[in-house]
Formats: sequence, structure tokens, C-alpha cells
Amino acid sequence: ETGVTQSPTHLIKTRGQQVTLRCSSQSGHNTVSWYQQALGQGPQFIFQYYREEENGRGNFPPRFSGLQFPNYSSELNVNALELDDSALYLCASSGGGTSGGLNTGELFFGEGSRLTVL
Amino acid sequence: AQSVTQLGSHVSVSEGALVLLRCNYSSSVPPYLFWYVQYPNQGLQLLLKYTTGATLVKGINGFEAEFKKSETSFHLTKPSAHMSDAAEYFCAVTLSGGYNKLIFGAGTRLAVHP
Repeated sequence: ETGVTQSPTHLIKTRGQQVTLRCSSQSGHNTVSWYQQALGQGPQFIFQYYREEENGRGNFPPRFSGLQFPNYSSELNVNALELDDSALYLCASSGGGTSGGLNTGELFFGEGSRLTVL
Repeated sequence: AQSVTQLGSHVSVSEGALVLLRCNYSSSVPPYLFWYVQYPNQGLQLLLKYTTGATLVKGINGFEAEFKKSETSFHLTKPSAHMSDAAEYFCAVTLSGGYNKLIFGAGTRLAVHP
């Protein structure tokens, strides 16, 4: 069974640039959610995708956007990067079968993509 | 609105001593509660979860937690700390029946010394 994989693991960008982070969900999982973890803080929910549609969003501006593909992999895009966007971005997969994207009680996290904005 | 408070950003114990990490939550509806562990440069791993049923929940690596509705608490314990337990621990809450939006606490860094 393949776990959640994320790429790249580390990257450095400058203010105003755009970044795309990628996530492959665990085998059999149809729901992907993204979290931002700033240094010294707990993860914060960005959004969730189920069957290629966003079905939940946290308190993040529209410049944070995402996609989910038919194979359930996902991308997180951030436009017009700001210094405060520097963080570890975590992808988590969950669900399967008929869970319908609803809370099944457990998320499986990848190791994250660490973004530094200079 | 839901929220999680973890008391103590840093906890230090001796190897073999009791581990107690505190978590209090706020939720207007019955919550699902979780403890996750994060080792350096890694993602989060689920230790244990409470959804329904028995209020004392046992997890991996000898950890357990008890859901106390009257105290709105979900403290994490382990009878005897091991050096390998040194990590960051996060308590999280979510709504039953809702989508997988976890609300995390700020975390507690556990140090274990010989």
C-alpha cells in the first residue's frame, strides 16, 4: 500500500511568485485535504477536495487554489506569494468507497512541502 | 465554533516517567477527537482517536486518552516514557458527519531525558 507522497519536499520562492505543490493520495482514498503549518504552530485547514470538487474551505484567500485529478492526486497553487506564506504544507488523504468525502475519522498525512518565501 | 487548547507548549519528562499532555476542546456538538504525533521533518501520524463509544481510547506506542465530556478534555497519557517518544504532539477536533476539517491545537513538544 502506497502512502501519501508530496513534491517537492523543499522549495524557495520570492515574493510575488507563484508556486504549485503536488500530492498523491494513499491508494484507495478519494478525498484530499491541504493544511498549512507555520513554524511553531499547529496545522491549519486550507481546503478539501472530493471527486475533483472543492467541498470545504478554511479561512484562506482566493490566491490559494487547488485541483484534484481523476486519479485523486491533487495540486495546491498559491499565487502572489507573501512572506507569511512560508510554511510546511501538508497534504492528507482519507475516505474511500461510499464515504462521500465526509468525516471518516482519520487523515493520512504526507511528509509535507516546506516553502520558504524570500 | 470549535477550538482546541493544549496546555504547555513544552513538556519534559525523565525516561520511565508518566507522560501527561493536556488538551481541552470547545465544540457545540459532539466532537470527534484526535491525537497526532509529528517527528522532526515528518508529517503527522495518528496516535489515537475518539469518535463514539468507550471514552478511554488506546492508541499506538502505549498511549491512551480519555474523553471527559464534563471537563471538555481529552488528555493524552503514557505510563512510562521512552526516549523515542520525543516529538511534537497535536490534539485535534472535528465535527462528526462533517467534512475532514480538523482544528488543531498549537502543539506540545515532548522532551524525554535519561
